[in-house]
Amino acid sequence: AQSVTQLDSQVPVFEEAPVELRCNYSSSVSVYLFWYVQYPNQGLQLLLKYLSGSTLVKGINGFEAEFNKSQTSFHLRKPSVHISDTAEYFCAVRYNNNDMRFGAGTRLTVKP
Amino acid sequence: NAGVTQTPKFQVLKTGQSMTLQCAQDMNHEYMSWYRQDPGMGLRLIHYSVGAGITDQGEVPNGYNVSRSTTEDFPLRLLSAAPSQTSVYFCASSYRGLSYNEQFFGPGTRLTVL
Repeated sequence: AQSVTQLDSQVPVFEEAPVELRCNYSSSVSVYLFWYVQYPNQGLQLLLKYLSGSTLVKGINGFEAEFNKSQTSFHLRKPSVHISDTAEYFCAVRYNNNDMRFGAGTRLTVKP
Repeated sequence: NAGVTQTPKFQVLKTGQSMTLQCAQDMNHEYMSWYRQDPGMGLRLIHYSVGAGITDQGEVPNGYNVSRSTTEDFPLRLLSAAPSQTSVYFCASSYRGLSYNEQFFGPGTRLTVL
């Protein structure tokens, strides 16, 4: 079965420090990759996506992610986080037109 | 555009009751879907639709029904609520074609089944 694994359920980090949220997926076929952010009591918002082309993808709010096909990974990074980045982050993989799987989520907490 | 709207925002049911969660979008999206979000499990796909009159099951369809009579609306029906259906439910929509892979999410419905 297809699966998406977010390796850390919680990531605490101090303000202005760099952060990496890890995502691995199972696949032997081409996929589309996404990162979503969810602020408290809200729906999900798209941060960035990889469909094709350059493996380094830049998104909103200074986030970027790198697609690594050989390692089946799509890790999310930000060089300097802010308090306002505190949220839950979801990695998602679309395996075909109608099968989209989400990871369990990583709760990022930015401390002053 | 209002985007994707969901009603109600909160609902408490007793075991065995039925109800319908409403979802509407005004972006003329062909693809619509329902997810449930449970702690530590991310989002799991319940049902989806690729257009009016066409629906299909996702990862966790048992206990839920859907229909798609119009492009705009995609209601989710709980036939006989069970405590295991306590969750937060999200509706999402997207275009078809390569760009359709981006889904737009509603604000969610928090359901508690006693």
